[in-house]
Parts: sequence; structure tokens; C-alpha cells
Amino acid sequence: GAGVSQTPSNKVTEKGKYVELRCDPISGHTALYWYRQSLGQGPEFLIYFQGTGAADDSGLPNDRFFAVRPEGSVSTLKIQRTERGDSAVYLCASSPRYRALTGNTIYFGEGSWLTVV
Amino acid sequence: TQLLEQSPQFLSIQEGENLTVYCNSSSVFSSLQWYRQEPGEGPVLLVTVVTGGEVKKLKRLTFQFGDARKDSSLHITAAQTGDTGLYLCAGVGSGGSNYKLTFGKGTLLTVNP
Repeated sequence: GAGVSQTPSNKVTEKGKYVELRCDPISGHTALYWYRQSLGQGPEFLIYFQGTGAADDSGLPNDRFFAVRPEGSVSTLKIQRTERGDSAVYLCASSPRYRALTGNTIYFGEGSWLTVV
Repeated sequence: TQLLEQSPQFLSIQEGENLTVYCNSSSVFSSLQWYRQEPGEGPVLLVTVVTGGEVKKLKRLTFQFGDARKDSSLHITAAQTGDTGLYLCAGVGSGGSNYKLTFGKGTLLTVNP
């Protein structure tokens, strides 16, 4: 597609439930990122994929959060046993391969707004 | 922990006025980026500044990077209602972390007609 596509755009779930958020990056982009943006805050780094592997998952808040990218394209962020504090906008982004962001552009999707009630 | 502080947090002005927003870092990043985010959308990159003292212009927007590469400013001349949005600065990690962005909390700008 023309841009980074994220689904669902909005998700309301009950505390304790399992949630999956999907990201379809720009075609040909091998770098993929997940960020989380809480109300009144800037985005916070969660995880970075280069190809199929998670090169850096240091931003995942705890072991309830997990992300995969099995074929090096679409990625899924999985949240187990959701808590009210997980409510936020989850942003996915992609960029062309093997180039530092200083000389590169990262493209964000519109985000998935997760509300845990 | 590297932190970016942005000020002011909120800014409401009339169309045609000039404004400046600031971004200050507790440490040096390899470069600094400015983004604009509209409601319901992801951030969109406006500019990347790399060299201390650098000035970049994008139409009515002027970006400056401090000599010590720890602070930056965004100046908008003759603001328009279409400039309304959340302006975020982000530091790009250095060395092996050059894929990671550290964002400030942003400045929410409202330009009134």
C-alpha cells in the first residue's frame, strides 16, 4: 500500500483479555518499529525489527507484551492479560533497510487506539 | 536516561502571529528530528538537523539546532490555521542505537482564525 496500515483503528477490550494489533508496513521497507503513545505524552519506543528478527525489544514494558514479524513484512503486537494502564495509541512505523534514521525517513501509521475497561 | 523537554506544552495564537517552540535535551543525540502530528494520525517528519548551529527552513518554518547539539527551536512565521497540531521533537540514538527515537511530550499548537 501507499502508507503504513494498522488495524484495528480502535479497540475496546475488557481488563484481562488478550489483544492483537496488526501492522502492514510500506512495501519494501525491512525496518519496522512499534511505539506507544499515552494521552499527553510523546511516543515511546517498544520494539524494532530488521527483517524477521526483533533487533531490540528493550522498550516492551513487561512479559505480557510480545511482537512477531514471521515473514519480514506484516507484524503483530500481542498483549496478554490487558490492564487499564495499557490504554494508549499503539503506533507502527517503517523505514527503508540498513540506513540510520539520521539520513532516513521513518513513516508512521495512524495508530491503533486501545482502550481497556 | 536521555530526556527531551519541550516548551511550552500548550500554545494558542491568532492567525498571522509568529511563534517559537523549544526542545531541550539532557544529553547529545546523533541528530534531532521535528514531527507534526494531527489528531487521529501518526507523526509526520518535518526535518532532521544534524550539525551544531544548523538552520533549516521549510517554507514558513525555521528550525535551529544549538551549537552544543542539545537544544533546538522551531519558529513559525505568520501562522495559519493549517499549522494547528502537536509538534514533537525526537532525538535519534547514536552508534548502534541509530534506529531509536526518543520523543519529547510535544507542544500542542492551536492557531485560531
